[in-house]
Amino acid sequence: NAGVTQTPKFQVLKTGQSMTLQCAQDMNHNSMYWYRQDPGMGLRLIYYSASEGTTDKGEVPNGYNVSRLNKREFSLRLESAAPSQTSVYFCASSEPGQIYGYTFGSGTRLTVV
Amino acid sequence: SQQGEEDPQALSIQEGENATMNCSYKTSINNLQWYRQNSGRGLVHLILIRSNEREKHSGRLRVTLDTSKKSSSLLITASRAADTASYFCATVSVSGNTPLVFGKGTRLSVIA
Repeated sequence: NAGVTQTPKFQVLKTGQSMTLQCAQDMNHNSMYWYRQDPGMGLRLIYYSASEGTTDKGEVPNGYNVSRLNKREFSLRLESAAPSQTSVYFCASSEPGQIYGYTFGSGTRLTVV
Repeated sequence: SQQGEEDPQALSIQEGENATMNCSYKTSINNLQWYRQNSGRGLVHLILIRSNEREKHSGRLRVTLDTSKKSSSLLITASRAADTASYFCATVSVSGNTPLVFGKGTRLSVIA
């Protein structure tokens, strides 16, 4: 099925460990995004990539890095995980210009112990 | 920071009734979008309304936008148990260059 694919779906990390969340889309979208969702907080933007080769910080970028590997793939890396990064992470993609809806992946549920 | 605030936070209705959710925002917008999220799933785009539009329909969904009050409402008519989900509004700034900013959502329960 066409859409946004995130891996893994679930992950448990120990404090201080690192990991990379993978995201790939097959809709030929130019723009991609990483959000985190915490209970009662809605979705908050971590990083986004308006087009291949560019990345920008969102509202909550501290503790994260991103790589726009190519037009299809946008990864999110936690270099040294902290319990405060326990969350559900969503990747999304869209056509550029913010006048189209986003397509979301099904999320990665991350627990840092 | 959150731009949109949905009201109510939670809503429980009987199947067949209409459900109305409201969204207020703080700064001028280019467009406002509504999304649905089923439990444990990603968000699904429902409808987009531009700042120069006042009302838009899509199936059983009706969205209104009042830019003078900085508010929007989502009406779901003849609700079904399958409409049980969380609903989020999201805004794009007037410049149209920045990503969506989401509200905290309304949790809708439709009881069969």
